[in-house]
Amino acid sequence: DGGITQSPKYLFRKEGQNVTLSCEQNLNHDAMYWYRQDPGQGLRLIYYSQIVNDFQKGDIAEGYSVSREKKESFPLTVTSAQKNPTAFYLCASSIAGNTIYFGEGSWLTVV
Amino acid sequence: SQKIEQNSEALNIQEGKTATLTCNYTNYSPAYLQWYRQDPGRGPVFLLLIRENEKEKRKERLKVTFDTTLKQSLFHITASQPADSATYLCAPTSGGFKTIFGAGTRLFVKA
Repeated sequence: DGGITQSPKYLFRKEGQNVTLSCEQNLNHDAMYWYRQDPGQGLRLIYYSQIVNDFQKGDIAEGYSVSREKKESFPLTVTSAQKNPTAFYLCASSIAGNTIYFGEGSWLTVV
Repeated sequence: SQKIEQNSEALNIQEGKTATLTCNYTNYSPAYLQWYRQDPGRGPVFLLLIRENEKEKRKERLKVTFDTTLKQSLFHITASQPADSATYLCAPTSGGFKTIFGAGTRLFVKA
């Protein structure tokens, strides 16, 4: 089935550690996104990518990095510079910014 | 800056009644507006898209209106059911790839 796969579902990060969240899509979509959601809050855009080898910062990009080497993949690295990384992370994709399809999300907790 | 406002308080209604959710936006002119449903711990799922030249859109028990003068969209669920209980997010979109979501309104339908 076509869709977006995020892994891992649950991830724990120690202080000062970088972690990478995986996102793969087989929908043949050009655009991919990363959003962050805090408990009881809305979605905030971290990064988005329109095409391979190109990406733009969203509203809360500080402390995060991404790459887009393949159309299907858009991994997100949460760096040690992100001081409050505990949240629910959602990867998504779309055709030219239209209807957005989301993955099931990854929970990141700092321990 | 662009701002999206949705009812921050949860909406509680009785089964069989019509639920009406509001989405207001300021400081931009979206070409279309999308509504999504999000269940706890899951990624949002697309429901409806309405374009700026459309006043109303329907899909089964769902109805969306879009008033570009008032800068507002209303989302209605008729004959509501407990299974409709979820958080509903709106996303007024100007076109292009950057999509921003409102914080969402939590709906509870009591049997």
